[in-house]
Amino acid sequence: KAGVTQTPRYLIKTRGQQVTLSCSPISGHRSVSWYQQTPGQGLQFLFEYFSETQRNKGNFPGRFSGRQFSNSRSEMNVSTLELGDSALYLCASSFLGDTNEKLFFGSGTQLSVL
Amino acid sequence: EDQVTQSPEALRLQEGESSSLNCSYTVSGLRGLFWYRQDPGKGPEFLFTLYSAGEEKEKERLKATLTKKESFLHITAPKPEDSATYLCAAPSGGYQKVTFGIGTKLQVIP
Repeated sequence: KAGVTQTPRYLIKTRGQQVTLSCSPISGHRSVSWYQQTPGQGLQFLFEYFSETQRNKGNFPGRFSGRQFSNSRSEMNVSTLELGDSALYLCASSFLGDTNEKLFFGSGTQLSVL
Repeated sequence: EDQVTQSPEALRLQEGESSSLNCSYTVSGLRGLFWYRQDPGKGPEFLFTLYSAGEEKEKERLKATLTKKESFLHITAPKPEDSATYLCAAPSGGYQKVTFGIGTKLQVIP
């Protein structure tokens, strides 16, 4: 069974640009969540999608957005990039997205903003 | 605000030297406490879920325990392949919103 796939693995952008990251969940998983990981802050929750609906959102500015497609694949977008957006962006999937359900993570997209 | 605090931030052990990692949490209405392992360049990998005080779970050289205020990850006779960052996490705010600790970076030296 294939795991969670994130593309691209690495991305270099400049301030002010926008970026789109992609995530394909494990087959059959309907919940996709996104996390930002930085050395100083650790993993921080961005948002979660289930059946194309955003069910939960973390404390990030509106520049961070996402969506989910009917096949459960998800994308997240960051507009007007800032230096502080440099981070590892992780996608995780689970079957139903229940509160205490374990997460299956992808290997992440390493974003560098210059 | 829900908080998960891990200590120490880094731990260096000789192969075979047992130790424990600590995770203290302040989460209203705890609905589970997770432990994950993260290797460099990879996403976290699930290890355990604990639900109630007194519960213990084991996997190979790892044993996780839970009290009302903290959780411990005990590592018995570690091997170099146990080197990784260990993350503690708790669900907070519903659905897949999970609060993670900063992690403990474990290095096991042969």
